[in-house]
Amino acid sequence: GIQVEQSPPDLILQEGANSTLRCNFSDSVNNLQWFHQNPWGQLINLFYIPSGTKQNGRLSATTVATERYSLLYISSSQTTDSGVYFCAVERSGGSYIPTFGRGTSLIVHP
Amino acid sequence: SAVISQKPSRDICQRGTSLTIQCQVDSQVTMMFWYRQQPGQSLTLIATANQGSEATYESGFVIDKFPISRPNLTFSTLTVSNMSPEDSSIYLCSVEDLSPLEQYFGPGTRLTVL
Repeated sequence: GIQVEQSPPDLILQEGANSTLRCNFSDSVNNLQWFHQNPWGQLINLFYIPSGTKQNGRLSATTVATERYSLLYISSSQTTDSGVYFCAVERSGGSYIPTFGRGTSLIVHP
Repeated sequence: SAVISQKPSRDICQRGTSLTIQCQVDSQVTMMFWYRQQPGQSLTLIATANQGSEATYESGFVIDKFPISRPNLTFSTLTVSNMSPEDSSIYLCSVEDLSPLEQYFGPGTRLTVL
């Protein structure tokens, strides 16, 4: 199956700092999503981004499908950004079964 | 976006017993999934719940242990049978729109097996 690797596995920031999270995948995809799991366990869909760039407030994401990676940018981080960020992909030509990476655990200190 | 509720939100169970988790969606959806998330781990897909037919299980998961029902396009149940402490996890219901392919999750059920 398709492999999804996220980096870094852990990240600690001071409030106000910027960060970049990366997701590499091993095959062509027809779907890529970024999720945030808050400390209470709720998963929130941040971006549906199989290609191109999207922005939503302080968050933005870019997927370069031809090079098989996606980046999630967090600017001016806040303590509420803490949690785990997951990348999930669906392989092109495959069934609609998302494969999740191991996630990046982010802690933002005040 | 779909709004998903799960019941119960958490439970503590004795080994050897079974627990049924309910998932209710506020709109009809085609794709519905059940995931398990063990402490500190990523999400592992248990099965795809198929409306009106048997669920499609991923490698390592079997129907006898995790029977799933999906009587209609808005509701599904997952049963964790003959539980052991290794079944202690968060169990998540998820749905996916087909256009676009956006996935949404329920709040999860935190299960502890003693």
